[in-house]
Amino acid sequence: AQSVSQHNHHVILSEAASLELGCNYSYGGTVNLFWYVQYPGQHLQLLLKYFSGDPLVKGIKGFEAEFIKSKFSFNLRKPSVQWSDTAEYFCAVTPSNTGNQFYFGTGTSLTVIP
Amino acid sequence: DAGVTQSPTHLIKTRGQQVTLRCSPISGHKSVSWYQQVLGQGPQFIFQYYEKEERGRGNFPDRFSARQFPNYSSELNVNALLLGDSALYLCASSPGDRDTQYFGPGTRLTVL
Repeated sequence: AQSVSQHNHHVILSEAASLELGCNYSYGGTVNLFWYVQYPGQHLQLLLKYFSGDPLVKGIKGFEAEFIKSKFSFNLRKPSVQWSDTAEYFCAVTPSNTGNQFYFGTGTSLTVIP
Repeated sequence: DAGVTQSPTHLIKTRGQQVTLRCSPISGHKSVSWYQQVLGQGPQFIFQYYEKEERGRGNFPDRFSARQFPNYSSELNVNALLLGDSALYLCASSPGDRDTQYFGPGTRLTVL
């Protein structure tokens, strides 16, 4: 069965620190990859996505992610975090040849200290 | 543009009861998916509907059912509620069968 692993469950950073959140998946075929963010009291919002092409994708609010096929990874990065980035971050994977079933990781809670 | 809307926002039921949750997709979106999110976990896929046909079903018991209407809105039904069904139920819509999904605010179901 497909699975998505987010190894960092809780991350605490000071403002201006760099961020990298790990995401690994187990699926041998072609996949579409997503990062969603859930700010406190709000619903899931799309940060960025990868379908094909350049493996380095840029999203909203200065986030980017790199797809490394050989490592089955899609890590999220931001060079300098802000207090407003405090949120829950979810990685999601969907096999590109079967429907639109999203497999989500368990999420990473990010707290940014001013 | 209006996003995905879900109703009700919160719901409290007792064990053994039945519940119906509703979802209206973004205008023009033809696919609706349902997810269950238990506290501390990521969303788990329940169903996907596209053009009123079921396109996928997750690993949930037959007590869970859904349907999509001609206007692409959708209902999720859960029968014989168990305490373990307490969760946030998310609806997501997408333009086509295999597209980015846009999520609604969810319905918080509490089973007592």
